Amino acid sequence: QSVLTQPPSVSAAPGQRVTISCSGNNFNVGNNYVSWYQQLPGTAPKLLIYDNDKRPSGIPDRFFGYKSGTSATLGITGLQTGDEADYYCGTWDNSLSAGVFGGGTRLTVL
Amino acid sequence: EVQLVESGGGLVQPGGSLRLSCAASGFAFSSHWMHWVRQVPGKGLAWVSRINSYGSSTNYAASVKGRFTISRDNAKNTLYLELNSLRAEDTAIYYCARDSPTSGTDAFDIWGQGTMVTVSS
Repeated sequence: QSVLTQPPSVSAAPGQRVTISCSGNNFNVGNNYVSWYQQLPGTAPKLLIYDNDKRPSGIPDRFFGYKSGTSATLGITGLQTGDEADYYCGTWDNSLSAGVFGGGTRLTVL
Repeated sequence: EVQLVESGGGLVQPGGSLRLSCAASGFAFSSHWMHWVRQVPGKGLAWVSRINSYGSSTNYAASVKGRFTISRDNAKNTLYLELNSLRAEDTAIYYCARDSPTSGTDAFDIWGQGTMVTVSS
C-alpha cells in the first residue's frame, strides 16, 4: 500500500487530454513539493515535473502539473502513442522522514 | 555526458550481504544529494535512502533501516549502498538517482540504469 494514492490506470485517445491524480496528506503532499516521473517499459524513470508545476529542460509543455491542498495532478495534452507509460508522483513525507511515491498509473493511449 | 552507472547486483542468499555502487560522471557529484530507489519488477517505485552532499546526513525507509547503509566517496565520485541481512522482499532493481539542484523538495533528475538484486536460496 503506497503512501500516495494514484489511479491504477487511465486511458484516452490520441490527441486528447488526460489527467492523473496523486492524493496524500499534510505530512507529504500538503507541505512539500511534488514531482512526477514517466517510466517507459524496460527503462529507468524520467523526471517530468518538479516543484508541483515546473518542467525540466527538454520536457515539452504538453506535460503540466499543479497542486491543491493535499492533492497533485499531472496533465498531458495532445496525447501520443509514445506517451504510453507508467507515471509516478513522489515527494517527501515529514512524518516518516522518508521519500514516498504513489503506486503508479499506467497510461494507455487507445 | 551526465551519467550514473550502478553495479554490484546479483544473486544472494537470505541473510546475506551485498554492496552496490553507483559511479557518477559529467557533473559535480560532491555538490548533490543522492538517493537509492528500488523497484520490484512489474511493481511500483519505492524510495530506499538518501545522503547529503557531504555524507554527514542520511535517511532510510523504515523497511531497510538498520539493515542498509548508504555512503559516498566524493573523491571517487561514487555512491554506495551496503545491503545486509537480506530478505526475499529486498529482491528488486536498485536505481541510484541524483537530487535535482533546482528543486525545493527531493526530485530525482538523473537516474542510473539500475542493478538487479535477487535474494533467494
